[in-house]
Amino acid sequence: KAGVTQTPRYLIKTRGQQVTLSCSPISGHRSVSWYQQTPGQGLQFLFEYFSETQRNKGNFPGRFSGRQFSNSRSEMNVSTLELGDSALYLCASTSPTPTRDITRRETQYFGPGTRLLVL
Amino acid sequence: GDSVTQMEGPVTLSEEAFLTINCTYTATGYPSLFWYVQYPGEGLQLLLKATKADDKGSNKGFEATYRKETTSFHLEKGSVQVSDSAVYFCALSDWGDDKIIFGKGTRLHILP
Repeated sequence: KAGVTQTPRYLIKTRGQQVTLSCSPISGHRSVSWYQQTPGQGLQFLFEYFSETQRNKGNFPGRFSGRQFSNSRSEMNVSTLELGDSALYLCASTSPTPTRDITRRETQYFGPGTRLLVL
Repeated sequence: GDSVTQMEGPVTLSEEAFLTINCTYTATGYPSLFWYVQYPGEGLQLLLKATKADDKGSNKGFEATYRKETTSFHLEKGSVQVSDSAVYFCALSDWGDDKIIFGKGTRLHILP
């Protein structure tokens, strides 16, 4: 079974531009989560999508947005880029849990990430 | 809110040494606990997990036991290898919440 794939792997943008990152989950997985990894803040949760709906959201400004398509692929968009947005953006997928069943804590599988550099 | 605290690195050991990376957590509910590993230039890989108190997760010679009384989930390995050099993240996922909260990560260097 193919793993989580993310495109592009590397990206260079300038301040003020916008960027769209893509994530394809493992086949059959319907939940996709996004994380930002920076040296200073570590790994921080951005948002999670399930069945094309945002189910959970972290503490990031509205410049960060996402969506999920009917095939479970997800995109995240960052508008008006700032230098501080330079980071590794990781996507994770998990097998379906329509309700948050605490007896079934599914494992999240991470992609290789997209490294974004904002100049 | 929920949080994870792990020992700061880098940790440098010789091959075949014993490894412990400390991790403690705070959570309001009934968290599942994880250790993830990140090799250079790669994403995160789940190393092991434990979903309830006293569970022991193990994989590739690594072990961690979910200690509710001390709110800890320390990672151990009896004999490390050079190939274990990576960044290790302790993490939790709380009840009713699918997001993962990570510790800051501990960089491990193993010398041959």
